[in-house]
Amino acid sequence: AQRVTQPEKLLSVFKGAPVELKCNYSYSGSPELFWYVQYSRQRLQLLLRHISRESIKGFTADLNKGETSFHLKKPFAQEEDSAMYYCALINTDKLIFGTGTRLQVFP
Amino acid sequence: DAGITQSPRHKVTETGTPVTLRCHQTENHRYMYWYRQDPGHGLRLIHYSYGVKDTDKGEVSDGYSVSRSKTEDFLLTLESATSSQTSVYFCAISESTRGGRDTQYFGPGTRLTVL
Repeated sequence: AQRVTQPEKLLSVFKGAPVELKCNYSYSGSPELFWYVQYSRQRLQLLLRHISRESIKGFTADLNKGETSFHLKKPFAQEEDSAMYYCALINTDKLIFGTGTRLQVFP
Repeated sequence: DAGITQSPRHKVTETGTPVTLRCHQTENHRYMYWYRQDPGHGLRLIHYSYGVKDTDKGEVSDGYSVSRSKTEDFLLTLESATSSQTSVYFCAISESTRGGRDTQYFGPGTRLTVL
């Protein structure tokens, strides 16, 4: 079955510390993976997609097919990064979301 | 924000009553989705639509029905609300499901409480 797993419900770090939000997937075929973010009192929005291989707000994510992972990383966390982060993959017409990780960045 | 609105934004209802949530878009996107968001479960797809009058079930469709008679509107109906349907409901739209046009744009959400 297609599945996205985010093992951490909550990740707390101090400002300036590195951040890694974990995402593992199971999918038969070539996955298309995404990270979506929901800031407080804002709508859920796309952060980045693996196909574009871009860095958004300092975040990057590399698809590792061997480990079936798509971890989200940032070398130096900022307070404004505090949000709920969802990893997702496309399965035909649908997005399958993970359960989300709340990132708290303390000053 | 993409032109997506949801109504109502908040609703409290009683068990057994019917409830209809509305999603309206001004983007003329083909795909529309209804999700529910619950702690510990993330976002789960209820139903989605790939065109006018074309809908399909998602992961948690039991107890829900949808209709799409116009491109811009996607209605979610709880025929007889239960307390387990207390949740935050999100609508999303996308232009396509591949080729870089598969970004989903989300509405502001509807908080539904079933007493």
